[in-house]
This record gives sequence, C-alpha cells and structure tokens, in this order.
Amino acid sequence: SQQGEEDPQALSIQEGENATMNCSYKTSINNLQWYRQNSGRGLVHLILIRSNEREKHSGRLRVTLDTSKKSSSLLITASRAADTASYFCLTNMMTGNNRLAFGKGNQVVVIP
Amino acid sequence: EAGVTQFPSHSVIEKGQTVTLRCDPISGHDNLYWYRRVMGKEIKFLLHFVKESKQDESGMPNNRFLAERTGGTYSTLKVQPAELEDSGVYFCASSHQQNYGYTFGSGTRLTVV
Repeated sequence: SQQGEEDPQALSIQEGENATMNCSYKTSINNLQWYRQNSGRGLVHLILIRSNEREKHSGRLRVTLDTSKKSSSLLITASRAADTASYFCLTNMMTGNNRLAFGKGNQVVVIP
Repeated sequence: EAGVTQFPSHSVIEKGQTVTLRCDPISGHDNLYWYRRVMGKEIKFLLHFVKESKQDESGMPNNRFLAERTGGTYSTLKVQPAELEDSGVYFCASSHQQNYGYTFGSGTRLTVV
C-alpha cells in the first residue's frame, strides 16, 4: 500500500517563485528521501533526512521532517524552468517486509 | 564506484511481444528492487531480491512478469507478452543494506504500441 501522500499533486508557478510540496506517511520511518523525475527519465536523488533530523538544506532545497505529524515538506527556492519535474518522497519504514514506499508524486511546472 | 545501470534506456515494442529489461546493481549490493511508474502515475513497488532470492514479490502485477537474479548479481525483468498498459518507466535500485544507501538506476522507458 502507498505510504506517502503528497499534497498538492500539481503545482504551477512562475520562475523565481518558491515551490512547496508535502508528504504524509502512516508508519514510523528510519528516513525519508525526496526524488525528482524529469519527463519520464530516471529518478534523481535530491536529499535524505533521517528520523532524528528536523530540517536539512541542500542548495536551493529545504526539507523538513515532523515525525509527530508524520509529514515532510520539500521547499524549492527561487525556482527555475529546469525544476519542472515530478517530485516523489520515498519513506523507509521501520517495519514490514517491503520497507520502501513512494508517495504519489507532485508535478511541478515552472513557467519561464 | 559505478552506479546502478539499466538497459535498455528505452524500448518500443508491439503488443504481444516480449521484452527483457536488465539491471546491474552496484557491486556488493545484496538488495535489488524493481519499481515502475505507469502512465505518469505513482511509482509502485514490484519486487525485492536479497542476493538471488525473492524477498518480496507482492508488487508483481501478473504472471506476464518474470524477474530473475541468477547468481545474485544482475537482474532481469521479462514481460511476456507485453500489453499496452505495461508502458511506463521501470526503475531498479540497489542497496547494501535495507535501511540506507539506495541507489536508483536511470530507468528503462518501455513503450508498448
């Protein structure tokens, strides 16, 4: 079953604006990762945040993790046209045979 | 180190034909996973190998899909016969252990016409 759910699922913004995506999950996790997929191509790993971390930065990316609310957010600052892609969260659950679960994904379109 | 390699990067086949996708994990990674994203929807788990054994194949959609990992090295995913709804991007990932260090391949884009 799908663990993560992102809200909103489609986002259209102007270049230079910030884009925020959220991911909710249901069971306890070891870590959570965000990935990007461009136009049906491969998955690109963006950032990993561990369950004992609350916030992490990488370039224009900022990820937060709230384990009490079982949610994470991905913020892309100063968006660029090249940021147009689908963004997925991947949770690594503590229990279960299949411990990895992708969320449904957010389609982000950055308008030049 | 070399990353996870998937071959081919893109395959176009006719309905009813057979296609075999290949994944070469990072050397030494016992865990190998297959996922797919169909029709721009969510990414779904297909199966998980630990070495040559199928740890979890609960995500395999039907018996037209056959995954193997002989010798615990590379893995193949065969679709026979392919149907239109099989079109999508198939991802492979490997990890040394289950909790951390997943590396995904660049995916194989399968188009069934």
